[in-house]
Amino acid sequence: DAGVIQSPRHEVTEMGQEVTLRCKPISGHDYLFWYRQTMMRGLELLIYFNNNVPIDDSGMPEDRFSAKMPNASFSTLKIQPSEPRDSAVYFCASSKGQADTEAFFGQGTRLTVV
Amino acid sequence: EDQVTQSPEALRLQEGESSSLNCSYTVSGLRGLFWYRQDPGKGPEFLFTLYSAGEEKEKERLKATLTKKESFLHITAPKPEDSATYLCAVRRGTSGSARQLTFGSGTQLTVLP
Repeated sequence: DAGVIQSPRHEVTEMGQEVTLRCKPISGHDYLFWYRQTMMRGLELLIYFNNNVPIDDSGMPEDRFSAKMPNASFSTLKIQPSEPRDSAVYFCASSKGQADTEAFFGQGTRLTVV
Repeated sequence: EDQVTQSPEALRLQEGESSSLNCSYTVSGLRGLFWYRQDPGKGPEFLFTLYSAGEEKEKERLKATLTKKESFLHITAPKPEDSATYLCAVRRGTSGSARQLTFGSGTQLTVLP
């Protein structure tokens, strides 16, 4: 398996523009997580899905952020409108089955909002 | 609220100089403590999961241990390729948001040749 695949790897956009980040989880994994990593706050969970259904979105910073998972092999995280403080590395991770199993992370998308 | 504190923030070792990284945690009903390694520009890479106090796991030069309040990642005779940021995370055992991991801020390890 190729692992969790994220695109794009880097994104530079202007303030106010819409940004869409994409993720393909590992085949067969039924949990998908979106994390954000910054120097100040480290890794923070934004939202996670189980069987394509959002379970906990309490980490989503505000209404400008939205996430979807239309099928088991694809998820998006959208920011509209984007702001400079959204600049961070966004990671997608997936895991399988039981609660104790580890999550596997993608390579991340480095977002810069200017 | 779950809390994970890692120390030291940064550690520089000479090649072959063994040491330990610390992860102190507060969580309601631990359902796993996870160690990850993160290289610059990459996503965290899974290393170990520990579930109960007294448990130990080893992988090459790394050994992770767990008590009721903290975990240690022991690095024996490190090599320059062990240089990375090591992240600790916990998962709580209660219902609801039981799947999410709460991460510490990491220890940045540099091993000098």
